[in-house]
Amino acid sequence: QSALTQPPSVSGSPGQSVTISCTGTSSDIGNYNRVSWYQQPPGTAPKLMIYEVNNRPSGVPDRFSGSKSGNTASLTISGLQTEDEADYYCSSFTSSSTVVFGGGTKLTVL
Amino acid sequence: QVLLVESGGGLVKPGGSLRLSCAASGFTFSDYYMSWIRQAPGKGLEWVSYISSTSSHTNYADSVKGRFTISRDNAKNSLYLQMNNLRAEDTALYYCAREEVLVVTDYWGQGILVTVSS
Repeated sequence: QSALTQPPSVSGSPGQSVTISCTGTSSDIGNYNRVSWYQQPPGTAPKLMIYEVNNRPSGVPDRFSGSKSGNTASLTISGLQTEDEADYYCSSFTSSSTVVFGGGTKLTVL
Repeated sequence: QVLLVESGGGLVKPGGSLRLSCAASGFTFSDYYMSWIRQAPGKGLEWVSYISSTSSHTNYADSVKGRFTISRDNAKNSLYLQMNNLRAEDTALYYCAREEVLVVTDYWGQGILVTVSS
């Protein structure tokens, strides 16, 4: 059950786009479309932003989008806003019927 | 609205036990899988365990297998986590969470702190 691999940090200026990658294996991301992304501002509980690779729950701005290619999933945030500054985590279902999270990525909006 | 409220955390010595509870409201509890997810201080999220809506299916992270037991009482709209033989590395904020479907964790509690220290 190794954690999915995410970059520790990314940054961008307001209005720009950033992409956060999440790399797994053929036992998780590569074999399932059950990939989710969560946003966690400091001191708060995580919030679901993307599910099943590229679906947004109601209320999540369409600036947030997801994709997957092979063993890597990606979260793209376009039109960055200061309130997007937070930690972001990916997760995936696995072939052991367990759940695995990524190590998290800190997004800084400069 | 959906509300998940954890309780039962605190300070416990290594080797000790603790039972976490999660009171759910605002939805039909018996329709959903539920999970426990933890976050060590300053660290990332770690999935701990899930349980199916009827308790027929459970699963655990390798790090807690054999020491933790997840259970639920649908009549009481409650989720539980029995934690035995606790270790320092179990120190974390423990979140109770609802699974819309597995891996689609759509509601989270505010978390309850468990500290394992002598």
